[in-house]
Amino acid sequence: GQQVMQIPQYQHVQEGEDFTTYCNSSTTLSNIQWYKQRPGGHPVFLIQLVKSGEVKKQKRLTFQFGEAKKNSSLHITATQTTDVGTYFCAVNTGGFKTIFGAGTRLFVKA
Amino acid sequence: NAGVTQTPKFRILKIGQSMTLQCTQDMNHNYMYWYRQDPGMGLKLIYYSVGAGITDKGEVPNGYNVSRSTTEDFPLRLELAAPSQTSVYFCASTERYQETQYFGPGTRLLVL
Repeated sequence: GQQVMQIPQYQHVQEGEDFTTYCNSSTTLSNIQWYKQRPGGHPVFLIQLVKSGEVKKQKRLTFQFGEAKKNSSLHITATQTTDVGTYFCAVNTGGFKTIFGAGTRLFVKA
Repeated sequence: NAGVTQTPKFRILKIGQSMTLQCTQDMNHNYMYWYRQDPGMGLKLIYYSVGAGITDKGEVPNGYNVSRSTTEDFPLRLELAAPSQTSVYFCASTERYQETQYFGPGTRLLVL
């Protein structure tokens, strides 16, 4: 079945450093969503990418969808302690299901 | 709007006991989902519903049952609880397929 690989599993950064997480699929995706989960919290929607090569920005966050629509990335510029949490990608499959990646947990040291 | 609400927040069960996790949304969303999240892991889809009276299995449905008698409510039933069901359970809803999912705060379940 549909699977998405998300790397890295963990990332430790010093505050002010950049951070990137990647999501890869073996099949072409119709779209991809990104969610953030703070420690002890629930996933919160960040953004959805639909078009091939699409790039969207939210302040210090940059989201990209690959040209072949098989991969995506989330880049955070100059991390802050408020960026701590786990970032998940999610893809929609046939049959109304959504599959989540395993997530990348971001640790930020002040 | 309260969004998606879940009860209880935390529960301890003994092996073999049963319980129902409640999920309610007030956004009139047709699509609702149940996920489980094991410690340090991603979300696994248990069951989903595309509307009242319609449910279907996700990735990990064994040991669970659901019903959807109204648009608002999507309870998850655990029969014969097992330690492997220790997890955090999240309910989510969305207005249309392939759009933003809104998550509830979660139910932490410990089976001993």
